[in-house]
Amino acid sequence: GDSVTQMEGPVTLSEEAFLTINCTYTATGYPSLFWYVQYPGEGLQLLLKATKADDKGSNKGFEATYRKETTSFHLEKGSVQVSDSAVYFCALTSTGNQFYFGTGTSLTVIP
Amino acid sequence: DSGVTQTPKHLITATGQRVTLRCSPRSGDLSVYWYQQSLDQGLQFLIQYYNGEERAKGNILERFSAQQFPDLHSELNLSSLELGDSALYFCASSGTGGGLQTQYFGPGTRLLVL
Repeated sequence: GDSVTQMEGPVTLSEEAFLTINCTYTATGYPSLFWYVQYPGEGLQLLLKATKADDKGSNKGFEATYRKETTSFHLEKGSVQVSDSAVYFCALTSTGNQFYFGTGTSLTVIP
Repeated sequence: DSGVTQTPKHLITATGQRVTLRCSPRSGDLSVYWYQQSLDQGLQFLIQYYNGEERAKGNILERFSAQQFPDLHSELNLSSLELGDSALYFCASSGTGGGLQTQYFGPGTRLLVL
């Protein structure tokens, strides 16, 4: 079945450091891929998405490219800020109805 | 604020009991999803309703059930509760429930089973 594997955390970075959070997936069809962010005490918010191979999703300085050949959708940001501290979830859906989430990666950015 | 509301915010109960979690979707959204977030299993999709009808089912236990009412709010019923049911339960809503509709998540209900 469909699944998402996400890099284990927690991740701690200094402000302005480069961020990569790895995400790989397994899917039987042609899924759409997502990154969600969860700030402390809140629900998940959509950060970015990509619908087909080679699409790049981007938002708030974050980027992720849908790589079909490596079944990956790694999240990157060139310069993180303290306000980026949160838990990040990679997710996919092949049907638009059932969504599969990774286990989440906690990011802490220190000044 | 996503526009999705969930009540109660916190719930403490005992093993063997039954509880009901409530979700009101964003205005105009027809689809509601329920998720369970626990420390050991991450975020697990439970079930989806669209305009009152069940559309997709995930890892939902038989002790759990859900429904969506004509006014589109949804309830998740958890019965014969066990310690392992302690988790954050999220509701999300989307417009039509298909394709690439963005899901908007509520703030969650934290359930503690003692």
